[in-house]
Amino acid sequence: QSALTQPASVSGSPGQSITISCTGTSSDVGGYNYVSWYQQHPGKAPKFMIYDVSKRPSGVSNRFSGSKSGNTASLTISGLQAEDEADYYCSSYTSSSTWVFGGGTKLTVL
Amino acid sequence: EVQLVQSGTEVKKPGESLKISCKGSGYSFTNYWIGWVRQMPGKGLEWMGIIYPGDSDTRYSPSFQGQVTISVDKSIRTAYLQWSSLKASDTAMYYCAKHLIPAREEEAFDIWGQGTMVTVSS
Repeated sequence: QSALTQPASVSGSPGQSITISCTGTSSDVGGYNYVSWYQQHPGKAPKFMIYDVSKRPSGVSNRFSGSKSGNTASLTISGLQAEDEADYYCSSYTSSSTWVFGGGTKLTVL
Repeated sequence: EVQLVQSGTEVKKPGESLKISCKGSGYSFTNYWIGWVRQMPGKGLEWMGIIYPGDSDTRYSPSFQGQVTISVDKSIRTAYLQWSSLKASDTAMYYCAKHLIPAREEEAFDIWGQGTMVTVSS
């Protein structure tokens, strides 16, 4: 199973919105509404940000939102803040009853 | 508080065996799938596999099948990741994480351990 495809890096200025894409296949992203997103700051464990494509766990800012169209899922961060600078990973359940991560996207807040 | 606490840093030689651990607390340990994720230095997250403590049902990524063994001792609420013969390429941070909803391996990882750094070097 191949890793999901994410852009290596994205950037934005404080207050702006950015979107990170996550492209898979019909055997993972396109076939299930079990896409999740994780934020990882340097030297820290990943943090759970979005699940089931668009659901936000309690405690996660409503500036973070998720969506999906076909084989591509997206994470949008609005009102960008300095503390949003981190690596972001998507993940999807697959037809093999396993999970696969994306390669990760480094978000830089300019 | 729901927590996963992992065992400490390991430094091993190629060919040695290793078993690292992940102890859960604050939730019904037997009812939630728990998994392992590798992160090689400077690289992304890789899903390795998961286990259901209730019956030890296990799933492996094809990339890790046969390379590692995931096990659990539900009596002490602890999951394990083990190698029989380490290679330098096993050098990485290893995270355990539990799934969000009881008995549902399709759901996301919600709680993560702090990570165990494994260094394999001669």
